[in-house]
Amino acid sequence: QKEVEQDPGPLSVPEGAIVSLNCTYSNSAFQYFMWYRQYSRKGPELLMYTYSSGNKEDGRFTAQVDKSSKYISLFIRDSQPSDSATYLCAINAGGTSYGKLTFGQGTILTVHP
Amino acid sequence: EAGVTQSPTHLIKTRGQQVTLRCSPISGHTSVYWYQQALGLGLQFLLWYDEGEERNRGNFPPRFSGRQFPNYSSELNVNALELEDSALYLCASSLSWTGGLETQYFGPGTRLLVL
Repeated sequence: QKEVEQDPGPLSVPEGAIVSLNCTYSNSAFQYFMWYRQYSRKGPELLMYTYSSGNKEDGRFTAQVDKSSKYISLFIRDSQPSDSATYLCAINAGGTSYGKLTFGQGTILTVHP
Repeated sequence: EAGVTQSPTHLIKTRGQQVTLRCSPISGHTSVYWYQQALGLGLQFLLWYDEGEERNRGNFPPRFSGRQFPNYSSELNVNALELEDSALYLCASSLSWTGGLETQYFGPGTRLLVL
């Protein structure tokens, strides 16, 4: 079993839709949770990170963590064509594993006008 | 402010050859991380260097190695290249670890093709 499983998609949605991206993880030691966005032919860029269960909002983006279910989500409201990219969840256990981000497979999102 | 830079952008090698990839971190960052992004496998952690020392290593064979220089730039070396080493190699940098999570900023990557 992979440490992090991400819904593979791909997802294609109309502009303005609400997008839900999801990951599950197996190791309860994970304590830092991140979402990265990767445009074609670019490196990933950090969108959001959190270390506690609950919701964290930043503009149109909301990150949700449920440690009891080992489930993380990213919601994008009012999606725009510029949101079209690959979205990667990433998790870190901290401590001696600090520095090692464990990534999901990525979900390719296309927002069409 | 310049971001993480990597060179070369693209590389073609044949099986059995050796390759060196280079990374310059963001100014002020002392930690450098290397990841492999192969088709179908996602991003996998390779190595982490901080202040010139190797701090953590992923599940890769010893033919993957690297180092960090006094100016905090880094090299990734891959010996005895195999076809499955074809991938995008990403370098990231961050501020030095202070006990919490430091944001990793990624470069554009080096795309390696092994024939």
